[in-house]
Amino acid sequence: GENVEQHPSTLSVQEGDSAVIKCTYSDSASNYFPWYKQELGKRPQLIIDIRSNVGEKKDQRIAVTLNKTAKHFSLHITETQPEDSAVYFCAASRGGTASKLTFGTGTRLQVTL
Amino acid sequence: NAGVTQTPKFQVLKTGQSMTLQCAQDMNHNSMYWYRQDPGMGLRLIYYSASEGTTDKGEVPNGYNVSRLNKREFSLRLESAAPSQTSVYFCASSEGLINQPQHFGDGTRLSIL
Repeated sequence: GENVEQHPSTLSVQEGDSAVIKCTYSDSASNYFPWYKQELGKRPQLIIDIRSNVGEKKDQRIAVTLNKTAKHFSLHITETQPEDSAVYFCAASRGGTASKLTFGTGTRLQVTL
Repeated sequence: NAGVTQTPKFQVLKTGQSMTLQCAQDMNHNSMYWYRQDPGMGLRLIYYSASEGTTDKGEVPNGYNVSRLNKREFSLRLESAAPSQTSVYFCASSEGLINQPQHFGDGTRLSIL
């Protein structure tokens, strides 16, 4: 089955700096890669996703890049703010009608003032 | 529009007791999922239902059963709870089309003594 590795497990940045979180996946048939943000005690919420026919996608301060050859994808957050502090999860799916997700183990991002 | 609603929010059980976690969605989604979240392990898929009338095992199904009661509702049952099942349980739903986002409920925190 699919295996998703996520690094780093913790990341501390100063407000205004950029943050990068990286994930690798094992199943070359995976074609959908969402990123979720989870604040303490809350539900995971989708922040951005990318499909395998696209190499990069941006949404304001958030961007995701995908390298299918190397089987890795990354989340980039620019101009970080304290409210960006949370745990971020990457995931991968090979599609199908249920689009089962395999999640990474999460990155705890701390944005300090 | 409540999205995905889970009940209860918290529960404490004794080893050997049984329990059913309830999940309902009001987004007319076809697919529904149950995950467990443990510290340092991300979210792991327990069972899923691609469409009404179907259920399938995920990554960690042992000790659980599910019922897709109708299109809206998907329940998770622990027949004989064990301390290893102490976790936060999340229900999610998606449209069921290929590679569509999953939307999560607020979770159920379950402790088994």
